[in-house]
Amino acid sequence: NAGVTQTPKFRVLKTGQSMTLLCAQDMNHEYMYWYRQDPGMGLRLIHYSVGEGTTAKGEVPDGYNVSRLKKQNFLLGLESAAPSQTSVYFCASTEIGVRSYGYTFGSGTRLTVV
Amino acid sequence: DAKTTQPNSMESNEEEPVHLPCNHSTISGTDYIHWYRQLPSQGPEYVIHGLTSNVNNRMASLAIAEDRKSSTLILHRATLRDAAVYYCILRPQTGANNLFFGTGTRLTVIP
Repeated sequence: NAGVTQTPKFRVLKTGQSMTLLCAQDMNHEYMYWYRQDPGMGLRLIHYSVGEGTTAKGEVPDGYNVSRLKKQNFLLGLESAAPSQTSVYFCASTEIGVRSYGYTFGSGTRLTVV
Repeated sequence: DAKTTQPNSMESNEEEPVHLPCNHSTISGTDYIHWYRQLPSQGPEYVIHGLTSNVNNRMASLAIAEDRKSSTLILHRATLRDAAVYYCILRPQTGANNLFFGTGTRLTVIP
């Protein structure tokens, strides 16, 4: 049982380049989330999805787009990377209905934009 | 969204109990209290949660005040592997169940 898998683990982008971060979960979770974590800070929610084909904005959505074409995958896109998007990105998933259960997080993607 | 307040940092000696406090004075009656921890260079890890009653699991215990305005995460015997940032988070029972992280408490375990 792999849980939540994020790819890639590390990436360096030049300003203006685009990329997609992939999150895959094998627990049949309905809800999925993308967070970013800057040095010395807690996690901030970028976008989330409450089911296949649905997405919604979180706390800091600007500069990012997401898609949930399949239930098990949640993609985070950067169309034109900026140095301010240098961060560690975490994906998480959780079950629907049993609202007291915890989130399962991936191990993160460390992104540097130069 | 209801907020939580935690000390920025705490220290503990190895093999001693650790009590990590959290204040959540604006908690609503249906918010669950969740605790997560984040080890260095890893994603957050679920530790424990509760609603009104104290809870125990293999990782820790959670003591919830009678008025639910505060809670304490208890690690019974701190080990070096428990050195992490601990987050106390309120999880609503309705909506998308988004978790809002603060800056947490950085626990240092002294050998």
